[in-house]
Amino acid sequence: TAGITQAPTSQILAAGRSMTLRCTQDMRHNAMYWYRQDLGLGLRLIHYSNTAGTTGKGEVPDGYSVSRANTDDFPLTLASAVPSQTSVYFCASSPEPGTGFEKLFFGSGTQLSVL
Amino acid sequence: GQNIDQPTEMTATEGAIVQINCTYQTSGFNGLFWYQQHAGEAPTFLSYNVLDGLEEKGRFSSFLSRSKGYSYLLLKELQMKDSASYLCAVSTDDYKLSFGAGTTVTVRA
Repeated sequence: TAGITQAPTSQILAAGRSMTLRCTQDMRHNAMYWYRQDLGLGLRLIHYSNTAGTTGKGEVPDGYSVSRANTDDFPLTLASAVPSQTSVYFCASSPEPGTGFEKLFFGSGTQLSVL
Repeated sequence: GQNIDQPTEMTATEGAIVQINCTYQTSGFNGLFWYQQHAGEAPTFLSYNVLDGLEEKGRFSSFLSRSKGYSYLLLKELQMKDSASYLCAVSTDDYKLSFGAGTTVTVRA
């Protein structure tokens, strides 16, 4: 059972470079999310998509972009990385968005260090 | 913004009981979740409360009082494998989850 697959597992990136974090799910969930997790701050929502073809901004969207061309894939792009984007990034999906029961299934995370 | 507060750290002895409190002030409320996250791993779903009261699931129970903006997660018969971070999250008016910073529970022998 794959669930949600994230790649890469970890990455060191030079400031100013671009990078795309990949996320693929095989559960046919409608909604997908990108969170970043920082010590003392918890998980913060970057962008989300309630269904293929639509995306929305979360709490901390600046410096990030997403696309949702199909149900399975939800890549996160950093156009020009800055050190403050050093974090652990989690992709998640939910089968029932907009119901209150937003049970999230998480990928294993990407540890990104921007130097 | 959303305000979800929980203690940073708690320590307890194997076999004991620990209660992790969570208070919230959010724009809307559609449900409260608890997640468990072991070090270096992804969060996993533990429990969900939308109505006031206690939900019991084996050694874990979760309580909700919507009028007080308060929840707790109760872990009974603690085991070493329960050492982890426990995340409180609220589904707010836009049906997105906002998370607290998490409570790190250390179980000692």
